[in-house]
Amino acid sequence: AQSVTQLDSQVPVFEEAPVELRCNYSSSVSVYLFWYVQYPNQGLQLLLKYLSGSTLVKGINGFEAEFNKSQTSFHLRKPSVHISDTAEYFCAVSFTGGGNKLTFGTGTQLKVEL
Amino acid sequence: DGGITQSPKYLFRKEGQNVTLSCEQNLNHDAMYWYRQDPGQGLRLIYYSQIVNDFQKGDIAEGYSVSREKKESFPLTVTSAQKNPTAFYLCASSIVDGGADEKLFFGSGTQLSVL
Repeated sequence: AQSVTQLDSQVPVFEEAPVELRCNYSSSVSVYLFWYVQYPNQGLQLLLKYLSGSTLVKGINGFEAEFNKSQTSFHLRKPSVHISDTAEYFCAVSFTGGGNKLTFGTGTQLKVEL
Repeated sequence: DGGITQSPKYLFRKEGQNVTLSCEQNLNHDAMYWYRQDPGQGLRLIYYSQIVNDFQKGDIAEGYSVSREKKESFPLTVTSAQKNPTAFYLCASSIVDGGADEKLFFGSGTQLSVL
């Protein structure tokens, strides 16, 4: 079975500072990895995904993530955050042959302060 | 504009009552999903459907029921058997199930509360 761990439930950061949101996964098979963002009272939208190839993946809104197979991690980074980045971020995993049924982490609330 | 529409945005349930959450999509997607979101617990899959007139249980299906009579519609009924229904419910769709690399498109959610 697959599982996803987001160790940080909340991450406060000042505007224009860099941020890293951590995600670790566990799986006995090859996986696909995703980051979704949820703004207040809305659904989720895809930030980026890793399927194969280059381990550094760039997404929307200046976010990027790096797949590290040896550490089973897929941390999300942004070099300079904006107040509008305040949202909840979810890491998720799916696996080949498992359809499109994602397993989500518990989420990390990013709060950007002035 | 294409997308997923969930209604109502807020819903209240009385004890012993069944309530139905609506989910409609005009993206021509084959697969549709229902997730439940609780604070600090992330999203958990309730039911999913890969094709019309077919659906499968997810991880927390007890106390819920669904139907898929039309490709564009996937309503979720929260029955009286669901003892803790207060949560934010999200409907999603994807182009073709079986494609683990396909992204999900989400609706804006329904907040269900118990009176």
